[in-house]
Amino acid sequence: DAKTTQPPSMDCAEGRAANLPCNHSTISGNEYVYWYRQIHSQGPQYIIHGLKNNETNEMASLIITEDRKSSTLILPHATLRDTAVYYCIVRVAYQGGSEKLVFGKGTKLTVNP
Amino acid sequence: DVKVTQSSRYLVKRTGEKVFLECVQDMDHENMFWYRQDPGLGLRLIYFSYDVKMKEKGDIPEGYSVSREKKERFSLILESASTNQTSMYLCASTNLDPYGYTFGSGTRLTVV
Repeated sequence: DAKTTQPPSMDCAEGRAANLPCNHSTISGNEYVYWYRQIHSQGPQYIIHGLKNNETNEMASLIITEDRKSSTLILPHATLRDTAVYYCIVRVAYQGGSEKLVFGKGTKLTVNP
Repeated sequence: DVKVTQSSRYLVKRTGEKVFLECVQDMDHENMFWYRQDPGLGLRLIYFSYDVKMKEKGDIPEGYSVSREKKERFSLILESASTNQTSMYLCASTNLDPYGYTFGSGTRLTVV
């Protein structure tokens, strides 16, 4: 069962910040939130991840609410190449070392010129 | 960079055929996964393996089996292909490191 909820689609103007929301109200204390994106006809690509604190890397920023029930991925200056499906994912770990990524349906982000 | 290679980019098979989808990773990862992706449904986990000869069912294992005889190779098997198994199949691997999974480019399987 997917543990995240995202809007099915969003639009953003080129050069503006894209803010993609995600709800994960049932997340457990030790489960990480991951963001991946998938450009058409390619495999998903890692963007960023976090547990409690806000995170930033060269691609994006991740803002996690204090109660950890939701998060927002921020692409600070969206370009046309950022048009993709963005997945917010909870990384579920099991005893014994196995784990899995549980994907939701993602948000189709379209960056417009 | 970690590479996850799926043997075929496109595949067309007939109903009832036995189909093998191969996935190879080159970074000694312990964990490997098979997902399928369908429009409107996102990625759904079929099977995963956390060690050689070990396998675990994912969310939609029916109609599939897997084989992990060597650490670097994880095969997805469709024992008797059916048209509802027409889909994009994605393989992934990880060593449970913080940066998540590396995915292959996918195999688009059409069963006619």
